[in-house]
Amino acid sequence: QQQVKQSPQSLIVQKGGISIINCAYENTAFDYFPWYQQFPGKGPALLIAIRPDVSEKKEGRFTISFNKSAKQFSLHIMDSQPGDSATYFCAATEGTSYGKLTFGQGTILTVHP
Amino acid sequence: DTGVSQDPRHKITKRGQNVTFRCDPISEHNRLYWYRQTLGQGPEFLTYFQNEAQLEKSRLLSDRFSAERPKGSFSTLEIQRTEQGDSAMYLCASSKTSGDETQYFGPGTRLLVL
Repeated sequence: QQQVKQSPQSLIVQKGGISIINCAYENTAFDYFPWYQQFPGKGPALLIAIRPDVSEKKEGRFTISFNKSAKQFSLHIMDSQPGDSATYFCAATEGTSYGKLTFGQGTILTVHP
Repeated sequence: DTGVSQDPRHKITKRGQNVTFRCDPISEHNRLYWYRQTLGQGPEFLTYFQNEAQLEKSRLLSDRFSAERPKGSFSTLEIQRTEQGDSAMYLCASSKTSGDETQYFGPGTRLLVL
């Protein structure tokens, strides 16, 4: 059962543009939603995370928007840079088994100079 | 470097052979997780430890897979009688249980079963 669905599979944007990646979840017990960034040959690294008590969280150029009623959340990368080119994964976990992350399928982002 | 380390980084084996991977977590982290990642997919949870206790195992973890964390520090993941379907990246992560509970991932061990 795929509990976290991520789209699009791949995304190409120009330098300076906005990159938007979307995720939807099914398990209403999920209460922590991190985004991970992965470069080739490396393990995933935490980018930004949100809990459902807020609708938006911003850290630098990265913003998470969260819609609890729709069970959806998204990552916005403002002023996208070539160095942002990587694979992005959304994930979710629930308090009863905190730490067991359920990941989306990933989005390959390419930012052209 | 005080991050999560994994060894080996790459392993090629023949079908039917046993393989063992090692993970060294960040020193003050008492939680340790194993995930498997296949090409084009997100990591899938396999199992996790809190100190030396294995608290949860995924249904993905067949009887051929076993994980240990004998002294609550490093962990090993063994796959017996490997199959071609076991080919994947095996990722280890560690975290604290209070304060910053972020999971920090290692670089992974890429397994190819011929």
